[in-house]
Amino acid sequence: GAVVSQHPSWVICKSGTSVKIECRSLDFQATTMFWYRQFPKQSLMLMATSNEGSKATYEQGVEKDKFLINHASLTLSTLTVTSAHPEDSSFYICSATQTRGPSYNSPLHFGNGTRLTVT
Amino acid sequence: AQSVAQPEDQVNVAEGNPLTVKCTYSVSGNPYLFWYVQYPNRGLQFLLKYITGDNLVKGSYGFEAEFNKSQTSFHLKKPSALVSDSALYFCAVRAPSGNTPLVFGKGTRLSVIA
Repeated sequence: GAVVSQHPSWVICKSGTSVKIECRSLDFQATTMFWYRQFPKQSLMLMATSNEGSKATYEQGVEKDKFLINHASLTLSTLTVTSAHPEDSSFYICSATQTRGPSYNSPLHFGNGTRLTVT
Repeated sequence: AQSVAQPEDQVNVAEGNPLTVKCTYSVSGNPYLFWYVQYPNRGLQFLLKYITGDNLVKGSYGFEAEFNKSQTSFHLKKPSALVSDSALYFCAVRAPSGNTPLVFGKGTRLSVIA
């Protein structure tokens, strides 16, 4: 079945540094990837949608200059948290879907998430 | 805009008993509904989906869900719960227009007690 690999699974960084999270589709071409953020005991909140070869679309309230998303190939999307602060500590999850165009019935495949702790 | 409500934060059930995790939705047009399960510090695993067809949908690990259009519900069920079913369950809806993201409910924590 379709597999999405997310790396790293956890990371601890100092305040002010940047952290890059990778999301790879291992056995399919992910034309669209979604980045979610999950706070403890809360649901997943969509941060942005990235389509291969074009700029990401950010949800309202998400700072695009802080959360840089790059989707340069059909198998890789990256999320970079720039100048991280303790309030950015969270669980970040990527998901991917493999068809471009109307694909509303395709289940999204999720990575295992990245636990970011900023000290 | 579409939305999903999971009215219960926590559901407790004894092992071997049937379980139900509730979900109601709001969407313009025909809904595309999903259930996912999340184990601690892990991503989401797909359980089942409803797109069209039979109202009773069967999915992974013995789970099933019943689509009820008049009640705008999509409750997750399992005839006999296992301790290993204990996890966080999310109901989600997707708009039937293009390559859109899932919108999730807040999640329901299921605890199956031996």
